Amino acid sequence: GAGVSQSPSNKVTEKGKDVELRCDPISGHTALYWYRQSLGQGLEFLIYFQGNSAPDKSGLPSDRFSAERTGGSVSTLTIQRTQQEDSAVYLCASSLASTSGGYEQYFGPGTRLTVT
Amino acid sequence: RKEVEQDPGPFNVPEGATVAFNCTYSNSASQSFFWYRQDCRKEPKLLMSVYSSGNEDGRFTAQLNRASQYISLLIRDSKLSDSATYLCVVNSGGSYIPTFGRGTSLIVHP
Repeated sequence: GAGVSQSPSNKVTEKGKDVELRCDPISGHTALYWYRQSLGQGLEFLIYFQGNSAPDKSGLPSDRFSAERTGGSVSTLTIQRTQQEDSAVYLCASSLASTSGGYEQYFGPGTRLTVT
Repeated sequence: RKEVEQDPGPFNVPEGATVAFNCTYSNSASQSFFWYRQDCRKEPKLLMSVYSSGNEDGRFTAQLNRASQYISLLIRDSKLSDSATYLCVVNSGGSYIPTFGRGTSLIVHP
């Protein structure tokens, strides 16, 4: 079946501009995660959505970052007034309902963001 | 101490070799464990889950040692295509946010 999709695959933007990144999770997956990965670095957790519950935003690095998930499916990550340090690959992952036991995550191909 | 620690490597091995990686975790309440594989400039992909009884999938064997708080991944008969970074992932009890290790780099050469 279809996996997690993300768009755009690449985004180059000027410093100070806003960007919006999109994630389409696997159908039926109620848990959705956003991560960021800088070159040669590990995954940095940003935000987590589970069904209709309030999202866990504890990983967002600043108030310039926000995310929504409409209808329990598609999610958008918005970065306002982009800075050069925002340059990274933004990865989205989905999984079945995430309880304390945890389920396997399936990642999208990512959006490579470059802020010039 | 970091929550999840891995030797970054690289582990440089010839084709056909057997190689093993360990991953230590600090939270004794951790409940779920996984190995992911990440190729250069690609997204992480699930390799295998790690069960209390261990898990084997072809040339890959994963084991959990709760007493010493580590998981391991053994790769037998290494192939060139096994070259990648292997990420250890741990879900702690009560947390729905998994913790990723920084990964161990494997290079298999002819």
